Formats: sequence, structure tokens, C-alpha cells
Amino acid sequence: EVQLVESGGGLVQPGGSLRLSCAASGFTFSFYWMHWVRQAPGKGLVWVSRINSDGRNTTYADSVKGRFTVSRDNAKNTLYLQMNSLRTEDTAVYYCARFAVNRGASFDYWGQGTLVTVSS
Amino acid sequence: QSALTQPASVSGSPGQSITISCTGTTSDVEIYNLVSWYRHHPGTAPKLMIYEVTKRPSGVSNRFSGSKSGNTASLTISGLQAEDEADYYCCSYAGSSSWVFGGGTKLTVL
Repeated sequence: EVQLVESGGGLVQPGGSLRLSCAASGFTFSFYWMHWVRQAPGKGLVWVSRINSDGRNTTYADSVKGRFTVSRDNAKNTLYLQMNSLRTEDTAVYYCARFAVNRGASFDYWGQGTLVTVSS
Repeated sequence: QSALTQPASVSGSPGQSITISCTGTTSDVEIYNLVSWYRHHPGTAPKLMIYEVTKRPSGVSNRFSGSKSGNTASLTISGLQAEDEADYYCCSYAGSSSWVFGGGTKLTVL
């Protein structure tokens, strides 16, 4: 069974940093691109970042470019999101999602999310 | 990267059909047949319902169908059931390895 479990969320002050993790199981993690998607309170889903299968190629939404860094450790089946210079508008539930290239570039499995609150 | 436009809410009675629209631009929905739809109950993992505009993953009811015309994609749910009540999001590939979601539609089953 495919499972994605996020962790690392919490309360952080503006300007601070946080690293999220997403532990994957039930599939060959190193074969898949992975993504981060977030949802601010009362708002919709927003795509954040993507990393290819070997970790050498990444892309970001304009709103986080230069502040967030996505990475992965295929030996540990884990995806990461390093978030620096956090702003109040980064407050959201952060989801990791598996990218299904053979399903029309969709996200076929998601975690349940981890909440990040940026507040003083 | 502006969000795709969805109605904030739709509603229908059990057994009826509803359609949720998703309007994008010539940079996303119109030029890529890579629109997907997700059902989301807050606090849980979103679920893929439709991919590549019209295709259903195995295990998704055939009551769910997708279509596209120009820059607008649509999700239709027929034979509405109480369990269909949720938030629904469209998503499109937007080029240059980026994706864009819709603002979400809250479906209420009356």
C-alpha cells in the first residue's frame, strides 16, 4: 500500500526556518518525481515545488522561489522541503504528493499533510 | 501563475447530476490535455478522481466524468450521493515543469 507521511510542521516566527519531511513507503520511491502542495487556512490547494526522481532537477512556484528548497534521499525513501525566510503567508497545511507521469501528469497519492504556522 | 477559476460552491440533490467548471488560459488548460481533478475532505489526503481531462483511475466510480472545451475543463458527477459531498479541485500542467490548481469548489448534497 502506498503511504506518504509528512512531518516537521509547527509554529515558527516570521523570518524563521523549518524543514518538512515526507516518508514514503509501498512503492519504489526512487522511480518517481515528487511534489509539495500547500493549502492556507480557508483557501485552495496551491502547487509549491517539484523534484525529479534523482533529485537533480527542481522547480518552484514564484511565491517560494529563492526561499524554499526541495530535496530527497532515495536511500531513506524521504522527501524534504527546507523553508527559509518564512512569512505569515506561508502558513498552510503542506502536502507531499507522488507524481504519476503515466496518468497524465497528475498526483496519484497524497499524504495527510503537516501544518506550518508562521506567527509572532 | 494565476489560479484556475472554479465556482466557489455547487449543490444538488441525491440522484441528480452536477457539473463543476474550471477555467484557465491559453497557457495551461487550453494547450495541455493534462487536467486532473481531486476530491478533498479537509484534514485528509486529496484523492485523484480524473486525469488527462477524461480518464478515471481504477477504483473511481463511473459516475465521475471529465471533459474540456477550449480553456474550460469540467467535472460532472451523476447520480449524486451523500458521500460525494467534499471540496473538488482542478489542476492543469502550466508548462516549464509547473502546475496550477483551481480555487476549489465546495459540493453540497442537499
